Amino acid sequence: GQSLEQPSEVTAVEGAIVQINCTYQTSGFYGLSWYQQHDGGAPTFLSYNALDGLEETGRFSSFLSRSDSYGYLLLQELQMKDSASYFCAPSGSARQLTFGSGTQLTVLP
Amino acid sequence: DSGVTQTPKHLITATGQRVTLRCSPRSGDLSVYWYQQSLDQGLQFLIQYYNGEERAKGNILERFSAQQFPDLHSELNLSSLELGDSALYFCASSSRTGTGTQYFGPGTRLLVL
Repeated sequence: GQSLEQPSEVTAVEGAIVQINCTYQTSGFYGLSWYQQHDGGAPTFLSYNALDGLEETGRFSSFLSRSDSYGYLLLQELQMKDSASYFCAPSGSARQLTFGSGTQLTVLP
Repeated sequence: DSGVTQTPKHLITATGQRVTLRCSPRSGDLSVYWYQQSLDQGLQFLIQYYNGEERAKGNILERFSAQQFPDLHSELNLSSLELGDSALYFCASSSRTGTGTQYFGPGTRLLVL
């Protein structure tokens, strides 16, 4: 079967570092994507990990451990504009992305 | 701007009616995906087309149908609408199937009264 877990809410202050964890169970796992969605807006692609390890893109980094069925998104130097929902989305043998309910990140001044 | 366009932006209709949502993918993208997002919910995958052919189906109701035309634009048809169908409907596109990178359109907000 398929399952996906990530925290529903995370709060941090401007300038801090926050890590959003994701554990998944997906048949025929291919990779893990991360998307950002501001209220009322469209999801925006952030990163994709197909191999174990850390991928860095500016202030955002994403990590994957295939053996642990675990990944995380790391956001550094938090800014107010980072307040949004963040979705991890594993892709499996069906080659489809499975989105959970996401993590609502609130950045406080 | 992702390059994916969706029309209309907003749609208000009554129960029992039928509506058509339209999506134009990014230039060169062959895959189109449809998602439904209800209030405070995650994205539910509905259906995918690749170069005109249905590639995968998710939790799409029998009252819903879709197609992708030769020019690669796609339409999602929702019929016998119910109050619970009120949601944001997103279209996304990608250059190939099975990629973790999808580009989402701005969505169509459907309200069924």
